[in-house]
Amino acid sequence: TQLLEQSPQFLSIQEGENLTVYCNSSSVFSSLQWYRQEPGEGPVLLVTVVTGGEVKKLKRLTFQFGDARKDSSLHITAAQPGDTGLYLCGGSQGNLIFGKGTKLSVKP
Amino acid sequence: GAGVSQSPSNKVTEKGKDVELRCDPISGHTALYWYRQSLGQGLEFLIYFQGNSAPDKSGLPSDRFSAERTGGSVSTLTIQRTQQEDSAVYLCASSLLWTGGNNEQFFGPGTRLTVL
Repeated sequence: TQLLEQSPQFLSIQEGENLTVYCNSSSVFSSLQWYRQEPGEGPVLLVTVVTGGEVKKLKRLTFQFGDARKDSSLHITAAQPGDTGLYLCGGSQGNLIFGKGTKLSVKP
Repeated sequence: GAGVSQSPSNKVTEKGKDVELRCDPISGHTALYWYRQSLGQGLEFLIYFQGNSAPDKSGLPSDRFSAERTGGSVSTLTIQRTQQEDSAVYLCASSLLWTGGNNEQFFGPGTRLTVL
């Protein structure tokens, strides 16, 4: 069974701080996606990374796909309260396998 | 439609009753997925439909769970003889096509099921 592990599980920081969330697996994925979910809503796709070593930037968010396509990271610079939510990574190898998520709280 | 819609948004039922949850995918999306999410947790895959192919039911937790997709569009997830452990948010997602690679999914808002 493929497994995607996310860390940390919970993260509470002050506005303006930087943070990194990790998504790790022993399996190789053809692509990996990051989603953000707010309470009472479905997950919303942030980015898809496909190529090993790929780096994508979305404003203050930087996503990296590991060279071996087994892991990924999400780095947020100068976090804002609006970044609060559950961050989920999903790896594709046929079906989409999700990690348990990182619950981020950014306090003003 | 503009996005994936699900109904009802909330469902409270008594243990032992059957429930039906509905999903309307984005028009033109050929793939449809059902997931279950317990409070604040990740997504547990339940079932996947792609076009006219037989659905992938490998994630269904028991034979009390079933789903169908009519006309390649709307899908219904049915839970028979509900148990308290079935309480969760049930999320539906659709994607444009099954690429096996960039499987970008668009999610509905979910149905929160509470079994008393």
